[in-house]
Parts: sequence; structure tokens; C-alpha cells
Amino acid sequence: KNEVEQSPQNLTAQEGEFITINCSYSVGISALHWLQQHPGGGIVSLFMLSSGKKKHGRLIATINIQEKHSSLHITASHPRDSAVYICAVCKKTSYDKVIFGPGTSLSVIP
Amino acid sequence: ETGVTQSPTHLIKTRGQQVTLRCSSQSGHNTVSWYQQALGQGPQFIFQYYREEENGRGNFPPRFSGLQFPNYSSELNVNALELDDSALYLCASSSGLQETQYFGPGTRLLVL
Repeated sequence: KNEVEQSPQNLTAQEGEFITINCSYSVGISALHWLQQHPGGGIVSLFMLSSGKKKHGRLIATINIQEKHSSLHITASHPRDSAVYICAVCKKTSYDKVIFGPGTSLSVIP
Repeated sequence: ETGVTQSPTHLIKTRGQQVTLRCSSQSGHNTVSWYQQALGQGPQFIFQYYREEENGRGNFPPRFSGLQFPNYSSELNVNALELDDSALYLCASSSGLQETQYFGPGTRLLVL
């Protein structure tokens, strides 16, 4: 069983839809990242969370430490949001090792 | 724009050769992590350097080694390249352990 899992694996949405991507993990963490990777490889860090909720523009990220679960929400989705969204956790070890989830491939259709 | 740059952007090598990939971090970022992302897969942690010392290592053999320099640049060296080393190599820097990581654009390595 992977230490970090995401759902759904693939997602197709119509422009304007509200989108939710989920991440669950099975290890103790010090922080969780939501990352966006566009075709070609570049990765952008969207959020780093250790508790609660963060909002940036149309993006909202929440985390529930007790339930070991985080969600990324996109409001009023747009075709430029099409990308792979990756959840990554920083393990509570002395080495702060980062473990990546498998990613959710999002395609927003005009 | 994250302020993290990597060079080269693309590289082709043959099996058995050695390669050095470079990463230039933002000023003040004393932590750099390297990741390998094979095609169609998520990134895998290779190792992390903190204040020029190795601070953690993933499940990669010793032929993967690194260096971090005082000028906020770092290197990933891979010896005795194998075909399976073909991947996108990403570096990410931060201003400290448990701080937001800023990713570079990656170096795409192809081993023939």
C-alpha cells in the first residue's frame, strides 16, 4: 500500500465546474504540499499546509491531520488549470523525507 | 518563476557514462532536494542537502551522489549510467527544513 494516495487518478471537467482532488496518507507528517505539474515537467508549489485551510485565488487547500486527509479544491475551473496535481508529504523523520502521491491528471474542457 | 534554475535542460548520454546535473537555488536557500521522475510516474526522493551536508537519502544506489556549495548551487552526479536512469531530474530548494520547496524546471536525461 502506498504511503500517499490520491483520488481520482484522472478527472475531466467542463469549464466552470468546481473540482475536488483528494489525498490521504498513512504516515506521520510535518507538512503537506500540493504541487501542480504541467506537460513538459515544470512543477509549481501551490500550497504547503500543516493545519487548517489555505486559499489562493480560485484554489483552496484543506488538511485534517487527525484523519490524515487533505483536499485541493478549484473553483470556476478553466482550461489553463489542466495539469497533473500532486500531493506530497514531509515525513516526521529526522531527514524530512518527501513522499509524492501518484498525481491526479486534470483536464478542463472549454 | 521560482528563482530556481537547472542546467542543462536536456541531455543525452550512453550507458556507462557519468553525468553532472546542476541546480542554482534562490539566495538564502540552505536546503536543496533532488528528485527523479520517470516517465508517467511521480517524483521519487533521491537525497537532500542542508548547509552543504547530506541530510537524508531515498532508495537510490551510491552511484547517485551530490554536492551543495556555499553559493546556493548544487550538483547531482550519477556514475555508470543505466538505461533506467532516463528520467526528469528535479531540484527543489527552500530556506530551511520544513519550509516551502521551490522547484526548478528540471533536466531531462536520456540514456541510450
